[in-house]
Amino acid sequence: KAGVTQTPRYLIKTRGQQVTLSCSPISGHRSVSWYQQTPGQGLQFLFEYFSETQRNKGNFPGRFSGRQFSNSRSEMNVSTLELGDSALYLCASSSLWGRDGYTFGSGTRLTVV
Amino acid sequence: KNEVEQSPQNLTAQEGEFITINCSYSVGISALHWLQQHPGGGIVSLFMLSSGKKKHGRLIATINIQEKHSSLHITASHPRDSAVYICAVNNNDMRFGAGTRLTVKP
Repeated sequence: KAGVTQTPRYLIKTRGQQVTLSCSPISGHRSVSWYQQTPGQGLQFLFEYFSETQRNKGNFPGRFSGRQFSNSRSEMNVSTLELGDSALYLCASSSLWGRDGYTFGSGTRLTVV
Repeated sequence: KNEVEQSPQNLTAQEGEFITINCSYSVGISALHWLQQHPGGGIVSLFMLSSGKKKHGRLIATINIQEKHSSLHITASHPRDSAVYICAVNNNDMRFGAGTRLTVKP
């Protein structure tokens, strides 16, 4: 079966712009979670969605938001980009809130200049 | 102090050696995950544990809930095992260790 698909793979944006990243989960998975990975902070949890509802949110400013659609695809949005938002953004999907494990996408590498 | 601590940070081994990576955590958890990340960023989930021990090929993962400690063992290590291994715990969200960079030399 197809894996978790993240688009785009690479993105360059300018400070102050906004960006939307997309994640298509494995077919049948209803839970999607998002993570930020930077060299300084490592992996950090952003948020998790299940059946279109945000279940949990990490400690990130309100500029980071997300949503999930009825087909379980998810998007995350970062507004008013800052240089420090440059990172690898990963999403993972699961069928039962991670209770059966997670499958990760390849990530979107965002560079803010 | 981080809620999830891994050791060692870096590990270099010769092909064939037995490898152990340790993870200690300080929060209550519903599950612990071991992840593998290769250069380029892709993450593969190796194990999810809530108790006991799991084995997959040359990889073995154990967890001691009372001691809040988990270990990942690699038997007969191979250069293709070279990667960053990350321990993560599920509470209401996911908390990650800083990772262990493993290099296996031929």
